[in-house]
Amino acid sequence: DIVLMQSPGTLSLSPGERATLSCRASQSVRSSYLAWYQQKPGQAPRLLIYGAASRATGIPDRFSGSGSGTDFTLTISRLEPEDFAVYYCQQYDSSPRTFGQGTKLEIK
Amino acid sequence: EVQLVESGGGLVQPGGSLRLSCAASRFTFSNYAMSWVRQAPGKGLEWVSGVIGSGGTTYYADSVKGRFTISRDNSKNTLYLQMNSLRAEDTAVYYCAKAETYSGRYSPFDYWGQGTLVTVSS
Repeated sequence: DIVLMQSPGTLSLSPGERATLSCRASQSVRSSYLAWYQQKPGQAPRLLIYGAASRATGIPDRFSGSGSGTDFTLTISRLEPEDFAVYYCQQYDSSPRTFGQGTKLEIK
Repeated sequence: EVQLVESGGGLVQPGGSLRLSCAASRFTFSNYAMSWVRQAPGKGLEWVSGVIGSGGTTYYADSVKGRFTISRDNSKNTLYLQMNSLRAEDTAVYYCAKAETYSGRYSPFDYWGQGTLVTVSS
């Protein structure tokens, strides 16, 4: 199974700041089959990024993804109050689909 | 917009059974693979099981293989998860999630339901 490690576990920032979240895979994720999801308390996850760098429908352009192979990054350019949430990366290159343990983005 | 509504969760004793349902609407259900993903209280996400558009091929996580059965009724636009021999560690919110492709291969989950809570406890 591909293990995904996210860092940091918790990120404390202020609105307007830039957030950089990391996801590292235990083996190469082919063709960048890597997605990012946002989850707010009491809500279902929402797809933000797929194919490592493509934004899902309706996702603001302050969210961007990058990376390939084993190292991937989610960047939020200027944090809005509604962006404080938990973020998960997921690989869909191989079965079983696996998720990272999550990064909690909290207000400083 | 795509709608996925789960039901069937509840409190069950260890060793018991439960069947979850996920009613889908506003898309051509039979054209897309579907999965169940669970989240234990305060924990992360774990993929549980998946099924292709026709229902003919199914996939399971090792943690539930032999105990859970995924199925779908395309005439009713409904996905199911039959859960047997339930354990305390199966306690979680169970989400149904839609893939972007018929097979589910190389596809993220583009839509999720709101989830249904399953609690396994005596």
